[in-house]
Amino acid sequence: DTEVTQTPKHLVMGMTNKKSLKCEQHMGHRAMYWYKQKAKKPPELMFVYSYEKLSINESVPSRFSPECPNSSLLNLHLHALQPEDSALYLCASSQDSQGSGEQYFGPGTRLTVT
Amino acid sequence: AQKITQTQPGMFVQEKEAVTLDCTYDTSDPSYGLFWYKQPSSGEMIFLIYQGSYDQQNATEGRYSLNFQKARKSANLVISASQLGDSAMYFCAMREGGNAGGTSYGKLTFGQGTILTVHP
Repeated sequence: DTEVTQTPKHLVMGMTNKKSLKCEQHMGHRAMYWYKQKAKKPPELMFVYSYEKLSINESVPSRFSPECPNSSLLNLHLHALQPEDSALYLCASSQDSQGSGEQYFGPGTRLTVT
Repeated sequence: AQKITQTQPGMFVQEKEAVTLDCTYDTSDPSYGLFWYKQPSSGEMIFLIYQGSYDQQNATEGRYSLNFQKARKSANLVISASQLGDSAMYFCAMREGGNAGGTSYGKLTFGQGTILTVHP
């Protein structure tokens, strides 16, 4: 089973709202990732968790707050977002962030900030 | 400088024919991995094929093969017997070995992508 699930599929939120994106995998992977993707552009890495610890933060604004409650779950907490934050948010996982294993992606959450 | 270059913004192919999507990369790290992903309009990134820098043979996965030319730093994707369902955006990506704990560790860098359209 190479499935990564993400909820919700679509999210519309106002600039004063607080919401969370959720990601789950049951492949025993120890590395999990958040990417942001604008239309017709490649994904941009936001965060990497390795063995449940944040290992990479690509200078993401603090209005995005990641959390890894356990090895299967990854959350992205959103607060006071801007309209330019509207994008597809992709979660991915891999065996670990050190090896050459492929990253498996979830279906993404399409976020619209109004 | 871009680390991954995909020079074909769009490609067209007739159903049942083969197509090659180009990818060149730039790294000084001797240890790296190259990946191809497919992204249909639904948004999900689908892993297709992987090539390690030390692999002696070109990777193959069903109708997908990776033409790895290390000296030229190219990793082109070949899709044989194209199907209508192959129409999608295709991304080439690289992960460099880096140093454990370094800022590039575990980071996947993507090219700009190629939109493939398969005609019936």
